[in-house]
Amino acid sequence: DSGVTQTPKHLITATGQRVTLRCSPRSGDLSVYWYQQSLDQGLQFLIQYYNGEERAKGNILERFSAQQFPDLHSELNLSSLELGDSALYFCASSVAPQGAGTEAFFGQGTRLTVV
Amino acid sequence: GNSVTQMEGPVTLSEEAFLTINCTYTATGYPSLFWYVQYPGEGLQLLLKATKADDKGSNKGFEATYRKETTSFHLEKGSVQVSDSAVYFCDLGDNFNKFYFGSGTKLNVKP
Repeated sequence: DSGVTQTPKHLITATGQRVTLRCSPRSGDLSVYWYQQSLDQGLQFLIQYYNGEERAKGNILERFSAQQFPDLHSELNLSSLELGDSALYFCASSVAPQGAGTEAFFGQGTRLTVV
Repeated sequence: GNSVTQMEGPVTLSEEAFLTINCTYTATGYPSLFWYVQYPGEGLQLLLKATKADDKGSNKGFEATYRKETTSFHLEKGSVQVSDSAVYFCDLGDNFNKFYFGSGTKLNVKP
């Protein structure tokens, strides 16, 4: 168990809908990352937060947004969903911000299926 | 900028064969290097890491050496088992706590 909790584990929704994915980081970790993993297995970095502030942005679509709350949990909001958004969405956390050698701890992921 | 390139898969080996998965990186500064493993249906978990040049990370029979002169961090194991079948990700972590993952290499080990 990595200590990172993601809910829900599975989500099936229709095109055009909006969903919210939730992540609770490991106790003490201030940094949260979101990744999208498609069927061809690659990990696409979406966004990073540190202590409530956006730290880095990757290839995140404008239809997607995220935030990190004062209690450090994070939510990823996906709207106007398309079939191509079907993927595994991973959250990871790490001790932040400084220090090389700090690994990321991953949750089990949320499998989103858009039908 | 920072980036990681790892060999494409899938890699298919027989049990007890020698494994090498190549990983090379481009980086500014002094990054740390990691290998993560993803077993079917699970999230990624850290396999090993190295924080400076010439460091060797090792775990569960896997090894990788941080080679600055060749900008490489190749993953090796002397004798693979069926239970090693998974996807392996090479990763670079910079000094600002950003991570750069390779595209993943799927390993299939046949009995």
